[in-house]
Amino acid sequence: QKEVEQNSGPLSVPEGAIASLNCTYSDRGSQSFFWYRQYSGKSPELIMSIYSNGDKEDGRFTAQLNKASQYVSLLIRDSQPSDSATYLCAVNGGFQKLVFGTGTRLLVSP
Amino acid sequence: EPEVTQTPSHQVTQMGQEVILRCVPISNHLYFYWYRQILGQKVEFLVSFYNNEISEKSEIFDDQFSVERPDGSNFTLKIRSTKLEDSAMYFCASSGAPVGLGYIQYFGAGTRLSVL
Repeated sequence: QKEVEQNSGPLSVPEGAIASLNCTYSDRGSQSFFWYRQYSGKSPELIMSIYSNGDKEDGRFTAQLNKASQYVSLLIRDSQPSDSATYLCAVNGGFQKLVFGTGTRLLVSP
Repeated sequence: EPEVTQTPSHQVTQMGQEVILRCVPISNHLYFYWYRQILGQKVEFLVSFYNNEISEKSEIFDDQFSVERPDGSNFTLKIRSTKLEDSAMYFCASSGAPVGLGYIQYFGAGTRLSVL
């Protein structure tokens, strides 16, 4: 059973701080990794994808991948109250299917 | 910006009834998916669909479930005889050709299914 593990949180950070969200996965053969944001009662919204070891930056977001440690992280710089949401880590678990973690709830206080 | 459209937003049904959830994927996408999320739980894969056939399905997707692309734009999920435990948010997603090693999936707003 392929698993994706995330700390459920909540992770509380003040406005303007860096939020660091972490994810581990069980299948060493996984090739593609995604971060989605989900506001309460809404659908997952893609933030970033990453496929290679190292860092990938997009605006205030940086995804980090370490395949040897089976670890993916998401950094959010200059956190805003509007970033308050649940962040879902997803890993390809087969040909196309995504396996999601339970998500980490982020709270950014003004 | 192109988006995945799902209807209805909320469906209430009696146990044992059939329901059809509808989705219009992004127009140039070729791969289609259904996921579900029971309240308070993780998003779970149900099925993927390409070239008019199922390419992958989960253990959840048993004989009570079926998918269809009845025309060039719609993608549907049918639950033949609903059970109480089918109550969940159902998300449709679509993706284009793979980018690098991955299929980037975009999700619709979801249909909340309530089985009474």
